[in-house]
Amino acid sequence: GDSVTQMEGPVTLSEEAFLTINCTYTATGYPSLFWYVQYPGEGLQLLLKATKADDKGSNKGFEATYRKETTSFHLEKGSVQVSDSAVYFCALNDGGSYIPTFGRGTSLIVHP
Amino acid sequence: EAQVTQNPRYLITVTGKKLTVTCSQNMNHEYMSWYRQDPGLGLRQIYYSMNVEVTDKGDVPEGYKVSRKEKRNFPLILESPSPNQTSLYFCASRLGGDNQPQHFGDGTRLSIL
Repeated sequence: GDSVTQMEGPVTLSEEAFLTINCTYTATGYPSLFWYVQYPGEGLQLLLKATKADDKGSNKGFEATYRKETTSFHLEKGSVQVSDSAVYFCALNDGGSYIPTFGRGTSLIVHP
Repeated sequence: EAQVTQNPRYLITVTGKKLTVTCSQNMNHEYMSWYRQDPGLGLRQIYYSMNVEVTDKGDVPEGYKVSRKEKRNFPLILESPSPNQTSLYFCASRLGGDNQPQHFGDGTRLSIL
């Protein structure tokens, strides 16, 4: 079956540091890939997505590139802010199944 | 404003007392889902619905019921809640198509004593 593996957290950074959160996946089909963000006390919200190989999703300074050859979708940001502190989820939708597959989430803590 | 609305946001109740968590979306989405979120376990899907009167089990359906009588509403029913159902619950909806993201409600924190 499908699976999504994210690096375990928490990831702790100082403000303005570079962020990478790794995400790799296995899928039977040709999935669409997503990053969601969950701020404290809130539901998940879409951060960015990519639907085919080599697509780059971007939003709010975050980027991720769909790498089919390495089955990866790593999230990056060049300079994090305290307000980026949240839990980040990598996810996929595979045409073979309605049920989306989520990673376990990675907590990001950014210190001033 | 496009949104998924869950109620209640918080509930403390006792074992065996039936409860319903409501979910409503105003985006005319076909698909709706319920998830629970537990520390260390991430998000797990409980039930999903692909359209009115069409529902199916997710990964952890035991102890839960759902119904989809109208497109906008997808209530989650706990007929006889137990302490192991203490969790944070999310409702989500989306359009059909693999490139469509989920839209989540703000969550319902249930405590079953």
